[in-house]
Amino acid sequence: DAGVIQSPRHEVTEMGQEVTLRCKPISGHNSLFWYRQTMMRGLELLIYFNNNVPIDDSGMPEDRFSAKMPNASFSTLKIQPSEPRDSAVYFCASSLMDWGEVDEQYFGPGTRLTVT
Amino acid sequence: AQSVTQPDIHITVSEGASLELRCNYSYGATPYLFWYVQSPGQGLQLLLKYFSGDTLVQGIKGFEAEFKRSQSSFNLRKPSVHWSDAAEYFCAVYTGTASKLTFGTGTRLQVTL
Repeated sequence: DAGVIQSPRHEVTEMGQEVTLRCKPISGHNSLFWYRQTMMRGLELLIYFNNNVPIDDSGMPEDRFSAKMPNASFSTLKIQPSEPRDSAVYFCASSLMDWGEVDEQYFGPGTRLTVT
Repeated sequence: AQSVTQPDIHITVSEGASLELRCNYSYGATPYLFWYVQSPGQGLQLLLKYFSGDTLVQGIKGFEAEFKRSQSSFNLRKPSVHWSDAAEYFCAVYTGTASKLTFGTGTRLQVTL
């Protein structure tokens, strides 16, 4: 299996621009997570999807952030407009578990976002 | 609220020496606990997990961890560290709601030759 695939691996953009991060989960997994990692705040869960439905988006920092999962094999995280404080590494993870359950999450390699 | 504490931000050990990384959790019920490792520029990889049963858990790469309920701890150990073990290590606890994992702040391990 190719594992969780994220693109792009690196993104540099100017403040005010729209940024779209992409994720392809492991085939057959029904749970998908978006995390943000920064030196100051560590690893934070942004949003969790189960069977393509957003279950918990309480970690989404503000309305500039949005996430979609149109099908079981693709998800996007969009930031519009982007700000320098959004600079971070964004991870996508997937797992095979139903809501309320817990099991190993498989992480992608991450997207390093720099907003200038 | 549930939380995970990794008291050591940075640890340096010599290759071949033993290693123990500390993790303490705060959670009212029986916890589900994880250790993940992150190599530079990479995503997180699961080392081991504890759900129930034997409190000494074996993982990949020669790592083990022991769950101690009385101390609310889940420390990670390795008897002999290799230079390739240099990475950041994260302890995580399942919070019991919406399948959400709470991660500690991480411990960065440096291995000297």
